[in-house]
Amino acid sequence: QQQVKQSPQSLIVQKGGISIINCAYENTAFDYFPWYQQFPGKGPALLIAIRPDVSEKKEGRFTISFNKSAKQFSLHIMDSQPGDSATYFCAASTTGTASKLTFGTGTRLQVTL
Amino acid sequence: NAGVTQTPKFQVLKTGQSMTLQCAQDMNHNSMYWYRQDPGMGLRLIYYSASEGTTDKGEVPNGYNVSRLNKREFSLRLESAAPSQTSVYFCASSEAGTSGSFSYEQYFGPGTRLTVT
Repeated sequence: QQQVKQSPQSLIVQKGGISIINCAYENTAFDYFPWYQQFPGKGPALLIAIRPDVSEKKEGRFTISFNKSAKQFSLHIMDSQPGDSATYFCAASTTGTASKLTFGTGTRLQVTL
Repeated sequence: NAGVTQTPKFQVLKTGQSMTLQCAQDMNHNSMYWYRQDPGMGLRLIYYSASEGTTDKGEVPNGYNVSRLNKREFSLRLESAAPSQTSVYFCASSEAGTSGSFSYEQYFGPGTRLTVT
């Protein structure tokens, strides 16, 4: 049972463009929504995260938009750069002891020159 | 600080062989996790440990066992490897569950690429 659905599977964006990746979740108990970035041959690393008490969080060129009623959240990468080329995973969890993450299936982003 | 370390980096096993994947963290985290990553399926939780001395099943525990040896170390054992266990395995740790902490960030190791023939 896939509790976090992510799209698109892959994305090609020109340098300077906006990359948008979408996720939808089913479990209304989830209250922590991180995005992880993974480069080839490396482990995932936290990029940005949001709690459901706010609708948007921005860190530099990266923004999470969160729609609690629709149970959807998205990652926007402004002014995309070739160095942003990586696989991005959305995830969701409840908070508290252990905080188990449920991941989306990933989006491979390629930023072209 | 080394963060989360995993050994080995690569391993090839024959069907039916056993092996243990090792993981250690030096961040004094309470919670530790084992995931497997397969193409098109994201990362799926195998087992986790909310604190030293406790372990619980995740989404895909069949065919695996774990041991939380101490606060630093969390090992994953394959008793009788099967081709379906060919995957990249990641260990992670987190402050989650630590008294006074509100951080849920998970820190991942570099992974172990396992092939079962």
